[in-house]
Amino acid sequence: DGGITQSPKYLFRKEGQNVTLSCEQNLNHDAMYWYRQDPGQGLRLIYYSQIVNDFQKGDIAEGYSVSREKKESFPLTVTSAQKNPTAFYLCASKAGKVTEAFFGQGTRLTVV
Amino acid sequence: AQKVTQAQTEISVVEKEDVTLDCVYETRDTTYYLFWYKQPPSGELVFLIRRNSFDEQNEISGRYSWNFQKSTSSFNFTITASQVVDSAVYFCALSDGNSGNTPLVFGKGTRLSVIA
Repeated sequence: DGGITQSPKYLFRKEGQNVTLSCEQNLNHDAMYWYRQDPGQGLRLIYYSQIVNDFQKGDIAEGYSVSREKKESFPLTVTSAQKNPTAFYLCASKAGKVTEAFFGQGTRLTVV
Repeated sequence: AQKVTQAQTEISVVEKEDVTLDCVYETRDTTYYLFWYKQPPSGELVFLIRRNSFDEQNEISGRYSWNFQKSTSSFNFTITASQVVDSAVYFCALSDGNSGNTPLVFGKGTRLSVIA
């Protein structure tokens, strides 16, 4: 089945550690996005990529990094510089500018 | 800059009542797209509808209907005869229609609780 797969579903991180969230899509979409969701804050854009080997910062990119080496993959690294990383992270992809975005099931990251 | 405002943070209704979720947007673009998504407790966002800025026709899909009014920059969502399964967080979103795969800008969401 076509879709977006995020893993893991739950992730626990110790303070000071970097962690990488996986996002894979088999929809052949050019664009991919990472959003962060906090209670009452809606979805805020972290990074996005419109094409392989290119990506742009979103509204809250500080403390995060991404790569886009393959069309189907857009991993997000939460670095130790991110001061408050506990949140729900959603990955999305989009086929073109007139289409809707498709979302993965999300990764819930908790700092312990 | 683009902005989406969902003024209703939480709404509770009794089953079978009708409920309207409000969405007001801001954009300088002449071509843009509006969306509604549903987020059930599982967390995944489920696409409900897309509307482009040139199509102001209202749309009905079963118990769902959408009212798009450019004059008031609003794209409201009505659920008729609500059911417990409608309980979720609903997001309104906006994207630029002029330049590539620009990201969707989301409102903060409205949490709908339908009580049996």
